[in-house]
Amino acid sequence: SAVISQKPSRDICQRGTSLTIQCQVDSQVTMMFWYRQQPGQSLTLIATANQGSEATYESGFVIDKFPISRPNLTFSTLTVSNMSPEDSSIYLCSVGQGVSTGELFFGEGSRLTVL
Amino acid sequence: EDQVTQSPEALRLQEGESSSLNCSYTVSGLRGLFWYRQDPGKGPEFLFTLYSAGEEKEKERLKATLTKKESFLHITAPKPEDSATYLCAVSGGGADGLTFGKGTHLIIQP
Repeated sequence: SAVISQKPSRDICQRGTSLTIQCQVDSQVTMMFWYRQQPGQSLTLIATANQGSEATYESGFVIDKFPISRPNLTFSTLTVSNMSPEDSSIYLCSVGQGVSTGELFFGEGSRLTVL
Repeated sequence: EDQVTQSPEALRLQEGESSSLNCSYTVSGLRGLFWYRQDPGKGPEFLFTLYSAGEEKEKERLKATLTKKESFLHITAPKPEDSATYLCAVSGGGADGLTFGKGTHLIIQP
């Protein structure tokens, strides 16, 4: 299993600002994902963070709003840009050893509140 | 588009009272169905993977089963520590990630 650390664990942000969430894994992993969990909603995949290339975004999510970096096999960041109250959510980093297994390990999440 | 629907949304049981949680899914080319447990303030924790209809997996008081249209998570003689939100997810079609349901919030009362 992998141990995943996310920072910050929670934050309160002002409308129009940006916040970067960090995800550190204790071992090298090939697949790294960013999910969003809005209140009362299911986890939704934002993007797959690819090491050495641009992230792959799901429908409804764009790079300008959610830029992602993946500089190596143990670290990734997700930035939530120009935030609005609708971006208030829990953002989760997850890793898998093989995407087809679906056996993901999740961080504890970053709870963002946008005022 | 892959879809996952979980029922009930919430379930309250007495300790020792067995029950089942349902996960109905629509996916083209199922690669796997997954159950996760999520405690408040934590990320989801992987429980089971099911790959084909008829398959069953067990872990302590939990047993997961799979048909071509749905999966059940049976909980036998639950204890208060089994209280959590249980999430179902599928992998299929051309998508890389998982499609999750909204979860069943399970409360086991002593």
